[in-house]
Amino acid sequence: DTGVSQDPRHKITKRGQNVTFRCDPISEHNRLYWYRQTLGQGPEFLTYFQNEAQLEKSRLLSDRFSAERPKGSFSTLEIQRTEQGDSAMYLCASSPNPRLADTQYFGPGTRLTVL
Amino acid sequence: AQTVTQSQPEMSVQEAETVTLSCTYDTSESDYYLFWYKQPPSRQMILVIRQEAYKQQNATENRFSVNFQKAAKSFSLKISDSQLGDAAMYFCATKTSYDKVIFGPGTSLSVIP
Repeated sequence: DTGVSQDPRHKITKRGQNVTFRCDPISEHNRLYWYRQTLGQGPEFLTYFQNEAQLEKSRLLSDRFSAERPKGSFSTLEIQRTEQGDSAMYLCASSPNPRLADTQYFGPGTRLTVL
Repeated sequence: AQTVTQSQPEMSVQEAETVTLSCTYDTSESDYYLFWYKQPPSRQMILVIRQEAYKQQNATENRFSVNFQKAAKSFSLKISDSQLGDAAMYFCATKTSYDKVIFGPGTSLSVIP
């Protein structure tokens, strides 16, 4: 069990560019979550997957954001036409099953800076 | 909708002393879980402790314990014998069945040697 990994750890981009982040959950974890965290705040839910199915999307997730989990394993989060307000830490978490009590295991995050 | 409030943006404690972090929440659900997560500077978020709402007994994990007051919707975290490694952001969070976790804004804890 190597834990949740995220790539890249840091991304600096210019406004208007597209960026893509990857998350590899713990092996055999069914659920995968994406959160956004700005400085000094708690994580805000963006979206989550049960296997390959995207079950819920926050209204924070504008049309410029898209997430996929094509084979129920790793997931990608793409932001198109980035804006300065997109600058944040993007956290991924996974959990073993959808039972009420399951614990989410977090990755180290990808810090995005939009210039 | 669920909400989580942490009224203490910053707290400090002397090493080896005890500190209590406050959290209140609001939910219309009857079955839910409550969590405290720790996020050290530039490090990953990890679970400290969790509490099932249907259990009256307060959860404990070594030096960490909670005071769960269901009627008051209060869920405080007590850290005993504070250590330098306890310095971190602490987030209170809640989760209902088949749903996402809702986090509070966090409390920054400093430990003074």
